[in-house]
Amino acid sequence: GAVVSQHPSWVICKSGTSVKIECRSLDFQATTMFWYRQFPKQSLMLMATSNEGSKATYEQGVEKDKFLINHASLTLSTLTVTSAHPEDSSFYICSASNQETQYFGPGTRLLVL
Amino acid sequence: DQQVKQNSPSLSVQEGRISILNCDYTNSMFDYFLWYKKYPAEGPTFLISISSIKDKNEDGRFTVFLNKSAKHLSLHIVPSQPGDSAVYFCAANAGGTSYGKLTFGQGTILTVHP
Repeated sequence: GAVVSQHPSWVICKSGTSVKIECRSLDFQATTMFWYRQFPKQSLMLMATSNEGSKATYEQGVEKDKFLINHASLTLSTLTVTSAHPEDSSFYICSASNQETQYFGPGTRLLVL
Repeated sequence: DQQVKQNSPSLSVQEGRISILNCDYTNSMFDYFLWYKKYPAEGPTFLISISSIKDKNEDGRFTVFLNKSAKHLSLHIVPSQPGDSAVYFCAANAGGTSYGKLTFGQGTILTVHP
């Protein structure tokens, strides 16, 4: 089946720094990619929807200037957490959609110290 | 506002018996439902789905039932196996597809004892 990868799988950073997470669809073209965040023992919460070549659509309550999303090609989307703070520590998961089905990446664990 | 709810945080079942995981939703616009299995520090893996035009869908040991009037769906696993132990999420889509925006429940931790 289709594979979606995320890099890095985990990252530790200092408060105030920026962190970039990549999401790649390895064997199909993803017209849409979704970014989710999961806090411990909670649901996956959709942060934003990104379509290739256009601006991302953010869910209510998600700061677009803090969570920068770029979907430059049909196989790559990036999420940049700018000026990260400890409360941004979470598990970030992307999914890629090709208008037939949706595949999830393995997730990225972010810890902000 | 939690539009998809899984009210049981955990479920423990003996190997070989039936596991029943429940999910309720409040948004009547949802018309496609999915179940995912997830291990810690991994992404969700698709299990089975159902469209709102159906009330049952079966795939091997997994069956999903949908009761639209009650806004309730359930996942039955028969027989349960230790390898089924994981967190199970139900998810819903309002566009009738599996590839659009999904709203997830909180998850239920299933433990299958040998």
